[in-house]
Amino acid sequence: DTGVSQDPRHKITKRGQNVTFRCDPISEHNRLYWYRQTLGQGPEFLTYFQNEAQLEKSRLLSDRFSAERPKGSFSTLEIQRTEQGDSAMYLCASSVSSNTGELFFGEGSRLTVL
Amino acid sequence: GNSVTQMEGPVTLSEEAFLTINCTYTATGYPSLFWYVQYPGEGLQLLLKATKADDKGSNKGFEATYRKETTSFHLEKGSVQVSDSAVYFCAPRNSGNTPLVFGKGTRLSVIA
Repeated sequence: DTGVSQDPRHKITKRGQNVTFRCDPISEHNRLYWYRQTLGQGPEFLTYFQNEAQLEKSRLLSDRFSAERPKGSFSTLEIQRTEQGDSAMYLCASSVSSNTGELFFGEGSRLTVL
Repeated sequence: GNSVTQMEGPVTLSEEAFLTINCTYTATGYPSLFWYVQYPGEGLQLLLKATKADDKGSNKGFEATYRKETTSFHLEKGSVQVSDSAVYFCAPRNSGNTPLVFGKGTRLSVIA
């Protein structure tokens, strides 16, 4: 399967713990996006990379959130000191570097903070 | 920035019924417009798109026309099937590097 893959698919953690999600994009895609989706809502943009450069971050991305894409391939999204309000589905998407807007999404990583 | 308003769901239809899901947007300039679909247990995937005024995007029997004068991109299908049951998201995107902005989604349930 050469689609976008995310790991883990589901993470349950206690409040205050740190969690990290990984995303492997489609190999020839140089743009990588992170979105967050809560129940009954559409995906909300968090941040995106072009190659290894983080080009934009949403105001939703508090200081507890950090994303990296060190070699311009896979990306990690870390949440420190998790809060119950962080419970959501974290979606990764990738695309080629063009303005057609077609994003290819992974199946997401569901975070539950107890 | 961009914003989008979608018809509230859930929408429940019988098989072979006509579907319309309304979408209106606000954006600067001339955005490209997209509909994404999320089937149960799967990731979002592009359904169709239109990149300029009066363009019609179509796929799998679904259609949407880019209406600049009404800033709308309503999704339609003439005869829905049970397999169309999913959540549908409208998303405008300005030119350049701006990310997609998604609506809240409209859940469609088609019953046999």
